[in-house]
Amino acid sequence: GQNIDQPTEMTATEGAIVQINCTYQTSGFNGLFWYQQHAGEAPTFLSYNVLDGLEEKGRFSSFLSRSKGYSYLLLKELQMKDSASYLCAVRSSFNKFYFGSGTKLNVKP
Amino acid sequence: EAQVTQNPRYLITVTGKKLTVTCSQNMNHEYMSWYRQDPGLGLRQIYYSMNVEVTDKGDVPEGYKVSRKEKRNFPLILESPSPNQTSLYFCASRLDRTLSQPQHFGDGTRLSIL
Repeated sequence: GQNIDQPTEMTATEGAIVQINCTYQTSGFNGLFWYQQHAGEAPTFLSYNVLDGLEEKGRFSSFLSRSKGYSYLLLKELQMKDSASYLCAVRSSFNKFYFGSGTKLNVKP
Repeated sequence: EAQVTQNPRYLITVTGKKLTVTCSQNMNHEYMSWYRQDPGLGLRQIYYSMNVEVTDKGDVPEGYKVSRKEKRNFPLILESPSPNQTSLYFCASRLDRTLSQPQHFGDGTRLSIL
């Protein structure tokens, strides 16, 4: 079966750095996506990895290790508006997408 | 403005009464998909479509139907809704030219089946 695991909830302080981990086991791999979802809203795209290594996009970076089935999203200089759920999604073979249950990040002052 | 539009946004209905949730995108995207989101389970793919007249089952297709007669529209049909289909539903679309293209999500439809 397909399995995407993320921590359920994390808390961090404004201005700090936080790392959200995602491990996956899927039939086939054609890329991993990170999305941000504020409560009651649609998910919005943050980053994409298909090759091993780090992708940096401003305050957000994402890392992938395909051999370990592992990714993380790194958020730097945390702001209150970063309080949201972060979703890890894998595109497997045959154009199917599998999402983790999301990590709720609470940023406190 | 590029967007994915779902209707209705909220619906309360009763068991067995057929309903359709519409989804339309104005980005000329080939790929469209439906998801349901439940607490603790995350987003689960119901059906997806690679292009007009091409649809396929996702992870949780039971109790749902879809059609793709035009590129821009991808309605989700519940022929005989049941309470376990109470959920938050999202439609998404993506350009299917490269692997890196992300999905764009609609604002969601909250369905309550009594």
